[in-house]
Amino acid sequence: NAGVTQTPKFQVLKTGQSMTLQCAQDMNHEYMSWYRQDPGMGLRLIHYSVGAGITDQGEVPNGYNVSRSTTEDFPLRLLSAAPSQTSVYFCASRDPGLQEGYTFGSGTRLTVV
Amino acid sequence: EDQVTQSPEALRLQEGESSSLNCSYTVSGLRGLFWYRQDPGKGPEFLFTLYSAGEEKEKERLKATLTKKESFLHITAPKPEDSATYLCAVHSGGGADGLTFGKGTHLIIQP
Repeated sequence: NAGVTQTPKFQVLKTGQSMTLQCAQDMNHEYMSWYRQDPGMGLRLIHYSVGAGITDQGEVPNGYNVSRSTTEDFPLRLLSAAPSQTSVYFCASRDPGLQEGYTFGSGTRLTVV
Repeated sequence: EDQVTQSPEALRLQEGESSSLNCSYTVSGLRGLFWYRQDPGKGPEFLFTLYSAGEEKEKERLKATLTKKESFLHITAPKPEDSATYLCAVHSGGGADGLTFGKGTHLIIQP
C-alpha cells in the first residue's frame, strides 16, 4: 500500500515555464487536496477535490490549475511559474470519516529562478 | 475565517522531561482537530483526530486533549526520537474541504 505518491521530488524551473506536479493515491479516497508550505507559515490550501470531475479553490489558488479525471490522480499545474511559487508542495487525501485524518505525500520541492 | 495558533514556536527539552504543546483555534463548526508530526524533508504524519471538547487520545508517549478553544499535546518522558515539528490543524464544517494549519512547534529532545 503506497499511500500518496508525489513526483517529482525536486524541480527547478525558470520564470515563465510551466509544469505539472503529479499526485496519485491508491486508497480509493474521494477527497484530495494540494497544499504549499513556506518557511514561517503553516501549510496553506491551494485547491481541493471532493470526487472525480469536481474541483474547487482553496486559500491560495492564483497561478495554479487542477483537474480530477480519475479517483486516483490529482495533478497540480503551474501555468507560468513565478519566484513567489518557490515552495514545498504537498498532496493529501482522506476518507469521508476523517478518523485517519488526511494522508500526505512526501512533497515536491520547487524552486523558480 | 478559521485560525490556528500554536505555542511555543520552539521547545528544547531534556530526555525524560515532560511538557505540553498548545494549539488555540477559532473555527466555524469544528468537524475535527488534527495533530501531525513532521520530520525534516518529509510530509506530515498523522497522529490524532479529536472531534469534541473533552475528548482525549493517546499513542505511546503522546496524549492529545481538546477543549472548546484549545488542544494540548502532552509529551511524557520524551526520547530524542520524538524530536520533530508538531503541527495542529482544524477542519471546519463550512467552506473548503481542507485543513487550516498552525505554524507548528519545533521540538528538540536532548539526550
